[in-house]
Order: sequence, then C-alpha cells, then structure tokens
Amino acid sequence: GQSLEQPSEVTAVEGAIVQINCTYQTSGFYGLSWYQQHDGGAPTFLSYNGLDGLEETGRFSSFLSRSDSYGYLLLQELQMKDSASYFCAVARMADSWGKLQFGAGTQVVVTP
Amino acid sequence: KAGVTQTPRYLIKTRGQQVTLSCSPISGHRSVSWYQQTPGQGLQFLFEYFSETQRNKGNFPGRFSGRQFSNSRSEMNVSTLELGDSALYLCASSLLGRENQPQHFGDGTRLSIL
Repeated sequence: GQSLEQPSEVTAVEGAIVQINCTYQTSGFYGLSWYQQHDGGAPTFLSYNGLDGLEETGRFSSFLSRSDSYGYLLLQELQMKDSASYFCAVARMADSWGKLQFGAGTQVVVTP
Repeated sequence: KAGVTQTPRYLIKTRGQQVTLSCSPISGHRSVSWYQQTPGQGLQFLFEYFSETQRNKGNFPGRFSGRQFSNSRSEMNVSTLELGDSALYLCASSLLGRENQPQHFGDGTRLSIL
C-alpha cells in the first residue's frame, strides 16, 4: 500500500531549529513536496524535491533521500509566524497529474 | 496576480441536498485539482481537470463530480449530501498539473451538513 508518516506535533522556542521528518512507502515515487497551512488558511507551497539532496529557500530547507524513502523539512531561526501545520506530499508517476498524496501533517508550535 | 478564488466561503446544507462549489484558478493556470480536508482523513484528492477534461480521479463515490470550463474555471458538485461530507473543500491550480509544479490553493469552501 501507500503511506506517508510524519510526526503529529513539534514544539520549539523562537530562534530554534526544527526538523520535520517524512517517510513514505509508495510505488512509482516521483517527488516530495512540502506545504504550510495556518489555522483557517489555505495550504501554501514551500518546496519540491525531485532529486536526492538539499533544496534551500531562505530559512526553510528540504531534503530527499530516494534510497531511504525519506525526506525532511528544516525550519531555521524559528519565528512565531511559523506556528502552523506542515504537510509532506508525494507525487506518483502513475497518476501524478495534479494529484498529491498528503501526509497527516505536523503541527509546529513556536513558543516565546 | 490574483490568487485562486473559491466561492462561497461557507455553506450550510441538510442531508439529501446537493451543492455546487466554484473555483477560479490563477490566470494562465490550466490544471485545477480539488481536495477534501477533514480532521479525521486529512487532505484527500478528489479529482483534477485540465482543458475541460478530467485527467485524474481519487477514491470518492460518484456523488462527487466536477467540470471545467474553457476559461479554466472549475466547479464541483456533491449530490445527495451526507453528514460525512462536512469538510473544507480546497481547490488548487497549477500551470499544467505536473508533479514538480507548485499547487496554489484557494481559501476553501467550508461545507457543513446538518
């Protein structure tokens, strides 16, 4: 079957670094995306990894290891506004048109 | 550039009724995907439209349907509403629907079934 595993909640203080892991089991894996969603808001795209390695976008970085079926999102210099849910999402070759399979989400709580 | 617009933002219906939700994608985006978000099941893919054709479909019953117009605007329809259909329905657009293209989500329509 297909599955995506990510922690349900992570708490950290402002200025800290948080790593959200995502492990997946899916046939025909194509790439891993990350989305952020604030309470009551729309999911917003953060990053995409199609190849192994690290992608950096400002304070956020994302990593993928295809051989380990594993990726992570790294949030650096945490700010209060980073309190949100973070979803990893998989695209599959067989049915990748416009379809993402989302993980259950990780609630990140940033404290002062 | 205007974002993805979904209307209405909130809807209250009763069991057995039907509902139509609307989505206007970002200008130039041709792919529109629909998702259902619930606390229990998370974000689940409903279907995707491109050039007025359904290209992809999730595991939802036939009561859920959609369409896309020539201007890429999309609608989804749910017939014979059930209590379990209460959810946030999100529409997302992307240029072509390719896996490496970001999906841009609207704020969603929150549907409550009484």
